[in-house]
Amino acid sequence: AQSVTQLGSHVSVSEGALVLLRCNYSSSVPPYLFWYVQYPNQGLQLLLKYTSAATLVKGINGFEAEFKKSETSFHLTKPSAHMSDAAEYFCAVSDRRQGGKLIFGQGTELSVKP
Amino acid sequence: GAGVSQSPSNKVTEKGKDVELRCDPISGHTALYWYRQSLGQGLEFLIYFQGNSAPDKSGLPSDRFSAERTGGSVSTLTIQRTQQEDSAVYLCASSPVLGRGGKTQYFGPGTRLLVL
Repeated sequence: AQSVTQLGSHVSVSEGALVLLRCNYSSSVPPYLFWYVQYPNQGLQLLLKYTSAATLVKGINGFEAEFKKSETSFHLTKPSAHMSDAAEYFCAVSDRRQGGKLIFGQGTELSVKP
Repeated sequence: GAGVSQSPSNKVTEKGKDVELRCDPISGHTALYWYRQSLGQGLEFLIYFQGNSAPDKSGLPSDRFSAERTGGSVSTLTIQRTQQEDSAVYLCASSPVLGRGGKTQYFGPGTRLLVL
């Protein structure tokens, strides 16, 4: 069975500081991996995804993530946080053999201090 | 273009009543998913429709939950005899998937269900 663990339910950074949100996955087959962002009272928006092309994936709003098979990780980073990055972030995995249903982590709420 | 839409945006019901939640996917998307987001359980997969194939119902929490997709487009999620633990945000997503996984899922804004 697949699973996702996000380390840290709450992360707080200062504006301009590095953002690092951690995600580790478990999968018996090569996975597809996703990061979604959810702003208050809105649906989920895709930030980026890994589908076995490049291991370093660049997404929207300056975010990127690196797939590390040896560490079973897919951490999300952004060099400089902006106030508008405050939101909840979800890491998800899907099984290549199935229809693409997503298994989500518990989410990490990112706060950005001025 | 138009995104995924869901209705109603909010629903308050009494315990024991039935509710229907509607999802209009992006036009042309062959795959449609329902998820549930609650404080205690996070984001959970409920059910998945792909074209004319049998739906994957493996995430439905009980037989009180059912869903259908008519004409390969609109989907309705029905919860019978609602319980307080059904209170959650129900999210619908669609995807232009033609093969297996990997395609982006586009999410609607959700229906917030409160069972009193």
